[in-house]
Amino acid sequence: AQSVTQLGSHVSVSEGALVLLRCNYSSSVPPYLFWYVQYPNQGLQLLLKYTTGATLVKGINGFEAEFKKSETSFHLTKPSAHMSDAAEYFCAVRFSGGYNKLIFGAGTRLAVHP
Amino acid sequence: GAGVSQSPSNKVTEKGKDVELRCDPISGHTALYWYRQSLGQGLEFLIYFQGNSAPDKSGLPSDRFSAERTGGSVSTLTIQRTQQEDSAVYLCASSSTTRLGSYEQYFGPGTRLTVT
Repeated sequence: AQSVTQLGSHVSVSEGALVLLRCNYSSSVPPYLFWYVQYPNQGLQLLLKYTTGATLVKGINGFEAEFKKSETSFHLTKPSAHMSDAAEYFCAVRFSGGYNKLIFGAGTRLAVHP
Repeated sequence: GAGVSQSPSNKVTEKGKDVELRCDPISGHTALYWYRQSLGQGLEFLIYFQGNSAPDKSGLPSDRFSAERTGGSVSTLTIQRTQQEDSAVYLCASSSTTRLGSYEQYFGPGTRLTVT
């Protein structure tokens, strides 16, 4: 079955530290991959996406992610965390052959402390 | 330009009542999606529209749930005889579709449904 796994439901980092949020998917065919961010009581905002081409993609707010086919992973990173990065982050996958629906991971809540 | 809008933002209803949730997609977006976000189930796909037709309804949890889209624009999600387990945030998204495939989905702020 097609699935998306986000390791760690809660991640806590210090301001200025590296942010690493993990996402793995199950598929033998490279899918389209997305990271979304959700601030409290708001909808989902697209951070970045991978469809084809360069495997390192850059998004908004200094975030980037690298697609690694051999590891079926699409981890999200940011070199230096800001307090404003505190939010919930969702990895989403559009698997091939499944129309256009997104399958979401369970989400990772990022806390940033001074 | 305007983003995806949803109404109402909050809805409280009694068990057994019917509710209608509305979504206005981004102008010109041919694809529209409904998702549900709940504490126990996370973010789940419900239904996908391409124009006015729904080629993928696989996520609708029961026959109490239905959706329609008219004029290739506004969509309404209807839940009949609501149950407490229907309490969730219902999110709508839209995207532009070309021959190359669908672009990313843009989400609305959601409708928080509480069934008492």
